[in-house]
Amino acid sequence: GAGVSQTPSNKVTEKGKYVELRCDPISGHTALYWYRQSLGQGPEFLIYFQGTGAADDSGLPNDRFFAVRPEGSVSTLKIQRTERGDSAVYLCASSRTGREAFFGQGTRLTVV
Amino acid sequence: GIQVEQSPPDLILQEGANSTLRCNFSDSVNNLQWFHQNPWGQLINLFYIPSGTKQNGRLSATTVATERYSLLYISSSQTTDSGVYFCAVGGAAGNKLTFGGGTRVLVKP
Repeated sequence: GAGVSQTPSNKVTEKGKYVELRCDPISGHTALYWYRQSLGQGPEFLIYFQGTGAADDSGLPNDRFFAVRPEGSVSTLKIQRTERGDSAVYLCASSRTGREAFFGQGTRLTVV
Repeated sequence: GIQVEQSPPDLILQEGANSTLRCNFSDSVNNLQWFHQNPWGQLINLFYIPSGTKQNGRLSATTVATERYSLLYISSSQTTDSGVYFCAVGGAAGNKLTFGGGTRVLVKP
């Protein structure tokens, strides 16, 4: 596709459940990033992939959060034992050169 | 880590007015981007500008890297310019972007 695609666009889940959020980067982009945006704030970094490997996962808040990118393209952000505080918009971005990043439309996660 | 501060936090403009948004950052950067987040939440790329000046239609941006700030100029504002403008910086190629808190712009007809 022409841009970064994220699915689903909205996800409502019950506290304690497991969720997966998917990101399809722009074709040919080797760098992929996940961010989280809470209401009224700027996006906050979670994890950065260069190819298949996580080059920087310093933004993951705890071990309930995990992300993979097994073939160097699509990435999945996985959240175990969801909590109400995990509710936010999860944004994915990709970059060809590791410089200018392009963002998807986000997945709005609501934990009830 | 790098600190990013944007000002003003909120801006109300009459259609047709000009404005300047500012982004200050605390360390040297290799990456600086300006985004517009529309009411649907999509982050739209405005400028990739780690240094220098760029213009795109009614928008222009200047980054003075040695003094650690960037400015975004909006001229002849339109109601469609409403939304949140974010500045984001990165310390090295491929590294994470650190976002400022944003400037919320409302352009009234």
